[in-house]
Amino acid sequence: ETGVTQSPTHLIKTRGQQVTLRCSSQSGHNTVSWYQQALGQGPQFIFQYYREEENGRGNFPPRFSGLQFPNYSSELNVNALELDDSALYLCASSSRTGTSGNEQFFGPGTRLTVL
Amino acid sequence: AQSVTQLGSHVSVSEGALVLLRCNYSSSVPPYLFWYVQYPNQGLQLLLKYTSAATLVKGINGFEAEFKKSETSFHLTKPSAHMSDAAEYFCAVNIYTDKLIFGTGTRLQVFP
Repeated sequence: ETGVTQSPTHLIKTRGQQVTLRCSSQSGHNTVSWYQQALGQGPQFIFQYYREEENGRGNFPPRFSGLQFPNYSSELNVNALELDDSALYLCASSSRTGTSGNEQFFGPGTRLTVL
Repeated sequence: AQSVTQLGSHVSVSEGALVLLRCNYSSSVPPYLFWYVQYPNQGLQLLLKYTSAATLVKGINGFEAEFKKSETSFHLTKPSAHMSDAAEYFCAVNIYTDKLIFGTGTRLQVFP
C-alpha cells in the first residue's frame, strides 16, 4: 500500500509569484485535506476536497485554491505569494465513510520559502 | 467554536521517566480527539484517537490517553520514555467533518 506522497519536497519562490504543490493520496482514499504549518505552530486547515469538489475551507484567502482529480490526487495553488506564506504544507488523505473521526494519513509535506 | 489547548510548549524528561503531555479541548458536542507525532522534517503520524468508545485509548509505541469529559481533557501518557520519543506532539479535535483543529504542539525532549 503506497502512502501519501507530496512534491516537491522544497521550493523557493519570490513575493508575487505563483506556486503549485502536488499530492498523491493513499490508495483507496477519496478525500484530501491541505494544511499549512508555520514554523513553531500547529497545522492550520486550508481546505478539503471530496470527489473533486471543495468540501470545507478554513480561514484562508481566495488566492489559495485547489483541485482534486478523478484519481483523487490533488493540487494546492497559491497566487501572489506573500512572505507569510512561507511554511510547511501538508496534505492528508482519508476515506470518507459517512461518519466523522476518520483517520487522516499525512504526507511528508512541502517546505515553501518565499523571499 | 471548537479549539484545543496544549499546556507546555516544551517538556523535558529523563529516559525511563513518565511522559505526560497535556491537552484540553473546547467543544459543545462530543468530540473526536487525536494525538499526532511529528519527527523533524517529516509529516504527522497518528498515535491514537478517541471516537466515543472506551475512554482509555491505547496507541502505538506504548502511548495512551484518557478522555475525561468532566475536565475536557485528553492527556497523553507513556510510563517510560525512550530516546526515540523525542519529537513534536500535536493534539487535535475533529467534529462532524474530517477537518482537524490542532493545538500549538508540545516538543518532547528526552535526556539520557
